[in-house]
Amino acid sequence: GAVVSQHPSRVICKSGTSVKIECRSLDFQATTMFWYRQFPKKSLMLMATSNEGSKATYEQGVEKDKFLINHASLTLSTLTVTSAHPEDSSFYICSSGTSGTSSYNEQFFGPGTRLTVL
Amino acid sequence: GNSVTQMEGPVTLSEEAFLTINCTYTATGYPSLFWYVQYPGEGLQLLLKATKADDKGSNKGFEATYRKETTSFHLEKGSVQVSDSAVYFCALSAGGNKLVFGAGTILRVKS
Repeated sequence: GAVVSQHPSRVICKSGTSVKIECRSLDFQATTMFWYRQFPKKSLMLMATSNEGSKATYEQGVEKDKFLINHASLTLSTLTVTSAHPEDSSFYICSSGTSGTSSYNEQFFGPGTRLTVL
Repeated sequence: GNSVTQMEGPVTLSEEAFLTINCTYTATGYPSLFWYVQYPGEGLQLLLKATKADDKGSNKGFEATYRKETTSFHLEKGSVQVSDSAVYFCALSAGGNKLVFGAGTILRVKS
């Protein structure tokens, strides 16, 4: 399957600072990328869907001004957590896939980024 | 809304033991069902899937059958290995590319 990388794998920051997480599709062009958040012992929750060259679509309850998503190329999407607070501490996972609504298209997942806000 | 419930872990087994990880779902319509596996330090990988009732997905000795009458998609393997130690996620897709995940079940296999 395709390989997706995330950077950094782990980040610790002070409250009030911004953190950028990169998600790269290494061996195929991803028209669509997804960002998930996972709390301990909880499900992965879809935060937003980003399509290359257009604005991201955020899930209900996700603050788009706080979680800025940029999908400037077919191989790179970034998630910026702005003015981070301790409650933003979580495990963030990206996945990439091909677009399409007629049937399920497999998603390829990155290894995740552990964010800790002090 | 759509949701997935899977058994809490961790599940600890000896090598060659039989594995079952329960998964039930709630969804409108007829979702596709999936099992993903996450090995330590790696991303989630699709393990198997089933797209309609009574379908059986299988891969690497793992199996799961889409049971519409019980809204279940339990994961089974007849003989686990140490290398199967990982986190297993049950998920559904009710349309398009969006996935709804269960909380994940940690499997630990001892030699």
